[in-house]
Amino acid sequence: QLQLQASGPGLVKPSETLSLTCSVSGGSTGNTSYYWGWIRQPPGKGLEWIGTVYYSGSTYYNPSLKSRVTISVDTSKNQFSLKLTSVTAADTAVYYCARRMQVVGGLDVWGQGTTVTVSS
Amino acid sequence: ETVLTQSPGTLSLSPGERATLSCRASQSVSTSYLAWYQQKPGQAPRLLISGASSRATGIPDRFSASGSGTDFTLTISRLEAEDFAVYYCQQYGRTFGQGTKLEIK
Repeated sequence: QLQLQASGPGLVKPSETLSLTCSVSGGSTGNTSYYWGWIRQPPGKGLEWIGTVYYSGSTYYNPSLKSRVTISVDTSKNQFSLKLTSVTAADTAVYYCARRMQVVGGLDVWGQGTTVTVSS
Repeated sequence: ETVLTQSPGTLSLSPGERATLSCRASQSVSTSYLAWYQQKPGQAPRLLISGASSRATGIPDRFSASGSGTDFTLTISRLEAEDFAVYYCQQYGRTFGQGTKLEIK
């Protein structure tokens, strides 16, 4: 059974870079039938798509975050990563990693989410 | 960029009633790429429907969805206590709607 586990610092200072990694078990990030994505949810708010990466390294980003986001995949380690630069308090959120089906686009497997707080 | 608008923002119903949730897109969305999710407090979202109308594995048949173009609907035929949650639509694995909160009346 596929499982996703996001990890990284729970506290990041303003203007610094948020870095998270999603470790995949029970499946492969090299599987050509899926994409791998990051989604976030600020406290009390809705879901915001951050971006998606394919096993080949092709990436797709939310235009509103594109200038600050880098998502990469490491198939040898079976993980994918998120970097968000120049963070502010507005980037405080629960960050989820998820698997996206290539054919129909739904996110069918989600990690449990990791809370990141931006504060000095 | 396609914007998804969900209505109503909050829906108050009783167990056993029928729920109808709407998702409207600012431009036409391929039916293949419209998905619906359920999220309960403190939990990650769960995929309910993909390809606009195909239930995900393990989703009860009281959940159904339809629509095409810019107008999509999620229907829960007979509400059970566990169905009260927030529901999101999403297009192309990217943009989410703002969500509909389904609460117990």
